[in-house]
Amino acid sequence: GENVEQHPSTLSVQEGDSAVIKCTYSDSASNYFPWYKQELGKGPQLIIDIRSNVGEKKDQRIAVTLNKTAKHFSLHITETQPEDSAVYFCAATFTGNQFYFGTGTSLTVIP
Amino acid sequence: IAGITQAPTSQILAAGRRMTLRCTQDMRHNAMYWYRQDLGLGLRLIHYSNTAGTTGKGEVPDGYSVSRANTDDFPLTLASAVPSQTSVYFCASSDGKGSPLHFGNGTRLTVT
Repeated sequence: GENVEQHPSTLSVQEGDSAVIKCTYSDSASNYFPWYKQELGKGPQLIIDIRSNVGEKKDQRIAVTLNKTAKHFSLHITETQPEDSAVYFCAATFTGNQFYFGTGTSLTVIP
Repeated sequence: IAGITQAPTSQILAAGRRMTLRCTQDMRHNAMYWYRQDLGLGLRLIHYSNTAGTTGKGEVPDGYSVSRANTDDFPLTLASAVPSQTSVYFCASSDGKGSPLHFGNGTRLTVT
């Protein structure tokens, strides 16, 4: 099956700095890559996604890049704020509509 | 507010007991999923259903069963709970292939 690896597992940044989380996937047929943010006691919430026919996508302070050749994709958060502190998950779709998730990155933004 | 409702929010269960986690969505999504979340292991797929009347096994299906009698409901049953099933369980739905997952707020289950 699909294997999604995510790094780092924990990340601390100063408020205003950028944060980058990286994921790799194994199945070259994967074509949809969402990113989720999970706050304490809540379910994961979609924050941005990218499809395999696009190399980069931005939404205000959040951007995602995809390198299909290398099979990796990354989440970039600029001008971080304390409310960005959460656990972030990457995912990739495999056969049908099954999603496989990375193991998560706990981001702490230090005021 | 449209979304996914899970019940109960939390539960403590004795080993060997039977338990059904409930999940209802009001978005008329065809696909529904059950994940378990464990520290350091992320979200792992237990079972899924691409449409009412069909179900499939995910990465970690053993000890769990599901049914999909209609579009809105997707209950997860533990026939005889074991301590290794202590976890946070998330139900999710999707509008179809290439569409994002929408998650409920989870059920925290402790099996003693």
